[in-house]
Amino acid sequence: DVKVTQSSRYLVKRTGEKVFLECVQDMDHENMFWYRQDPGLGLRLIYFSYDVKMKEKGDIPEGYSVSREKKERFSLILESASTNQTSMYLCASRPTGLGNQPQHFGDGTRLSIL
Amino acid sequence: ELKVEQNPLFLSMQEGKNYTIYCNYSTTSDRLYWYRQDPGKSLESLFVLLSNGAVKQEGRLMASLDTKARLSTLHITAAVHDLSATYFCAVDNDMRFGAGTRLTVKP
Repeated sequence: DVKVTQSSRYLVKRTGEKVFLECVQDMDHENMFWYRQDPGLGLRLIYFSYDVKMKEKGDIPEGYSVSREKKERFSLILESASTNQTSMYLCASRPTGLGNQPQHFGDGTRLSIL
Repeated sequence: ELKVEQNPLFLSMQEGKNYTIYCNYSTTSDRLYWYRQDPGKSLESLFVLLSNGAVKQEGRLMASLDTKARLSTLHITAAVHDLSATYFCAVDNDMRFGAGTRLTVKP
């Protein structure tokens, strides 16, 4: 069974801090995604990656960056955290091919910026 | 830019009733996914629709895809309380999501 693990369920940080959210998947999936989920807005795509060292901007990349140095790990970085980045962050992975498989999601990280 | 719209955003149903959730999207795509999210939980996959006219059914839920109309529907038959959750559709390889439909089934 596919396992997508996010490093923290809950995280509290201060404005201006650099914040790292980590995501690891154990099924050798090529594609990985970072979303934020806010009430009434659904899931909004921040960044995604098709392969190691590759990254693509999603719909709301401002204030975020990502890193994919190894295939199994996709990190989301808040360069200088702000209160409007308080949200639930979800990581997902998905294989390439295999008949367009759905994404597998982690349990999420609820991030509060004070 | 791909836009995905779901409606309704909130749905309160009586047990035993039928209803349909709609997912419209703005650009050509023949791949659509439905997910379920329970409160405090992550998303789990329900259906994968990969071609025009595709129909999938699981229990009281049935999903369909009309790529020409850029529309997918999730039909609920004889709702039961266990179906209470938030349902999301997602479109295309880059997985853009709708805002979700929060379904509450009342006795």
